[in-house]
Amino acid sequence: AQSVTQLGSHVSVSEGALVLLRCNYSSSVPPYLFWYVQYPNQGLQLLLKYTTGATLVKGINGFEAEFKKSETSFHLTKPSAHMSDAAEYFCAVSDQPGGYQKVTFGIGTKLQVIP
Amino acid sequence: DAGVTQSPTHLIKTRGQQVTLRCSPKSGHDTVSWYQQALGQGPQFIFQYYEEEERQRGNFPDRFSGHQFPNYSSELNVNALLLGDSALYLCASSYSLGAQANYGYTFGSGTRLTVV
Repeated sequence: AQSVTQLGSHVSVSEGALVLLRCNYSSSVPPYLFWYVQYPNQGLQLLLKYTTGATLVKGINGFEAEFKKSETSFHLTKPSAHMSDAAEYFCAVSDQPGGYQKVTFGIGTKLQVIP
Repeated sequence: DAGVTQSPTHLIKTRGQQVTLRCSPKSGHDTVSWYQQALGQGPQFIFQYYEEEERQRGNFPDRFSGHQFPNYSSELNVNALLLGDSALYLCASSYSLGAQANYGYTFGSGTRLTVV
């Protein structure tokens, strides 16, 4: 079984400040990890994913995440928040890398960016 | 190139009724997965279709059923609607085979179902 815990359902940051969204996972096999973003009334867009190899993963819009096996974590960061980053972010885990995947999502973290 | 298209975008139904939601996958994708996203929650996996068969299923009752057509499009059917079925229903398409399978999901914008 696999699961994801997102710490903090709401996070507020000032424009230009560091964004840090926390995610811990549980998986009985080596995990494949994802971060998705959802804007109001829209579907989910993939920000980045970890499959194998380099543990620091760079995604779109300046976001990156680091896979830490010892901590079972996959936290999402961005050095400087922009107003357009305000959205809901979902961490997700799968036990398969590709199209067969059944992805398990966390509850989500709403990011508010304060001008 | 069109992405994943879902219809309708919004729907209001009465308890006990039946509903059909539709999904056209991204061009070239052969696999369709359906997710339910209740308000304030993350998406929950309903089921996945490949080669016109249900391949995987989440923890949803038999009231939830689906179909995949030869052109890879898919339908989600829900019978005997309950108030708790009110949610955003998301369709995601993907490749199942080959290197392109590693690209993962492409999501549609969803169908907002309200049961009154």
